[in-house]
Amino acid sequence: EAGVAQSPRYKIIEKRQSVAFWCNPISGHATLYWYQQILGQGPKLLIQFQNNGVVDDSQLPKDRFSAERLKGVDSTLKIQPAKLEDSAVYLCASSLGLAFTGELFFGEGSRLTVL
Amino acid sequence: AQSVTQLGSHVSVSEGALVLLRCNYSSSVPPYLFWYVQYPNQGLQLLLKYTSAATLVKGINGFEAEFKKSETSFHLTKPSAHMSDAAEYFCAVRNSGNTPLVFGKGTRLSVIA
Repeated sequence: EAGVAQSPRYKIIEKRQSVAFWCNPISGHATLYWYQQILGQGPKLLIQFQNNGVVDDSQLPKDRFSAERLKGVDSTLKIQPAKLEDSAVYLCASSLGLAFTGELFFGEGSRLTVL
Repeated sequence: AQSVTQLGSHVSVSEGALVLLRCNYSSSVPPYLFWYVQYPNQGLQLLLKYTSAATLVKGINGFEAEFKKSETSFHLTKPSAHMSDAAEYFCAVRNSGNTPLVFGKGTRLSVIA
């Protein structure tokens, strides 16, 4: 089966510019996650969707980050305006449901460099 | 709040030697524990998970981990390292309910020929 697809793989922007990342989860997976992985750290959850509803966005910097999953399938994460500290890999993951024993399937990530 | 601590940001072993990557967790309730591996320029892949069944969990590629409640540990081991095991390894914890999967900072494993 096809895995989690993400694009673009790499993006370089200047601070105060905007950027958007796209994710298409595995077919049939109801739950979608966006994680931020800063160099040298483990992934940190930004937002979690169940179908097209938000389950957890407590760690999403809402003044500059936004995410949507309008039709309950693919999702977009936007940063506007970007700051230097937003340089990171943005990982999208999906799972069948919210079951806490369930496996998360990760995409290859989108690497953002903010200059 | 749940958390994991991975001891050692970088571990180096010789090919054929034992691999031991350490993970300690903090959780107010019985946790669900995971090890993920990340190869260069790839996404994270599940190695194994503990979900309150057997305390010794076997995963892919010959890895296994043992849940020790008394030590709040979930260390990852492999009897004999292979060059292809070189990667970043992440321990993660999740409580019951809708709590998110929380990752440790990762341990980079290098395998020397």
